[in-house]
Amino acid sequence: EPEVTQTPSHQVTQMGQEVILRCVPISNHLYFYWYRQILGQKVEFLVSFYNNEISEKSEIFDDQFSVERPDGSNFTLKIRSTKLEDSAMYFCASSDVVQGLAKNIQYFGAGTRLSVL
Amino acid sequence: DAKTTQPNSMESNEEEPVHLPCNHSTISGTDYIHWYRQLPSQGPEYVIHGLTSNVNNRMASLAIAEDRKSSTLILHRATLRDAAVYYCILRDSYNQGGKLIFGQGTELSVKP
Repeated sequence: EPEVTQTPSHQVTQMGQEVILRCVPISNHLYFYWYRQILGQKVEFLVSFYNNEISEKSEIFDDQFSVERPDGSNFTLKIRSTKLEDSAMYFCASSDVVQGLAKNIQYFGAGTRLSVL
Repeated sequence: DAKTTQPNSMESNEEEPVHLPCNHSTISGTDYIHWYRQLPSQGPEYVIHGLTSNVNNRMASLAIAEDRKSSTLILHRATLRDAAVYYCILRDSYNQGGKLIFGQGTELSVKP
């Protein structure tokens, strides 16, 4: 069964450093998402991406964050200058648009745990 | 997006049915009811969704009240692997980008 893959599974970085989290969505999917989950808290939406542009972003997704689909298979989340509070699990998800946005199923990766020291 | 209310936690015995309730009294006519779950140390996973009629799939059943102000996710025979946090989420056709808005969910524990 097709799945969303994320690398690395765990990323440790120093405060102020740039990190890139990588995701390979399911191949025929057209919508891509990033979510994060701080330890012990709920899953929070960060950004959605369609047709090579951001379709929606949350208040969390400030100028320190960016997303890119550099080729036909990868979808990346970059944090330019990491802060301690960026420590969280980051989940990538993808979906097709066959059934419309109210019905589409999102498939999630296993996540990347980001630890900012 | 309309708000949902779920119990913080529930317990079940293995091999028994589980009914996970969700209240969504402010649901609009175009809101779909989705359920996702998150197993320990994993990403969320789609379970089921519906609009007005009850729905069944290989994982679960979704029973939707006639007035759509509440719904129940039914796991027919709970297994240890079903221990997870279950999220009830409303999504409408005007949801730009199709984001999912997660609440705290219901943490289901399954006892052998």
